[in-house]
Amino acid sequence: EIVLTQSPGTLSLSPGERATLSCRASQSVSSNYLAWYQQKPGQAPRLLIYGASTRATGIPDRFSGRGSGTDFTLTISRLEPEDFAVYYCQQYGSSPQTFGQGTKVEIK
Amino acid sequence: EVQLVQSGAEVKKPGESLKISCKGSGYSFISYWIGWVRQMPGKGLEWMGIIYPGDSDTRYSPSFQGQVTISADKSINTAYMQWSSLKASDSAMYYCARQFRSSGWTDYWGQGTLVTVS
Repeated sequence: EIVLTQSPGTLSLSPGERATLSCRASQSVSSNYLAWYQQKPGQAPRLLIYGASTRATGIPDRFSGRGSGTDFTLTISRLEPEDFAVYYCQQYGSSPQTFGQGTKVEIK
Repeated sequence: EVQLVQSGAEVKKPGESLKISCKGSGYSFISYWIGWVRQMPGKGLEWMGIIYPGDSDTRYSPSFQGQVTISADKSINTAYMQWSSLKASDSAMYYCARQFRSSGWTDYWGQGTLVTVS
């Protein structure tokens, strides 16, 4: 199975700053089938990005994804207070689908 | 509006059986896959498996194959996950989620069902 490694584990930033989250796959992700989710405490995950770079419906354009093959990045251009959460990447091109271990974006 | 509504929290003893549910509405239930995701306390997300309610085609992650059974009743737009003999290590939040194909992203999630085995 494909192992996804996210870094850093925790990102301490202030509102208005730029956040860059990394997701590295142990082997190439088929067709760039890579998604990003946001999860806040006590809530279900929310889809942000699919196909490595396509924003889901209703997702603000401060969220962007890029990458291909084994290296993917989620960027939040200017952090809003509601963006402090845990972010997961997921590959869905190979079975079993797998998630990264998550990156927590916390307020500095 | 697409909704996935899961059954309520459960408290069980080791060795007991359990079946939790996920009811879809607001879309064609038989046209999308339903996946199940585990989240143990304070931990990350783990993909368990998926089912296509249209024909009950089911796929499991090797980590969960034989540990749980995923099923669906398309007549009532409901998917299920069941355990025949629970262990303390099954204590977790379980989410159902919709995928438009077996190798697809997950666009809608249920609210989660908390299972406590103690």
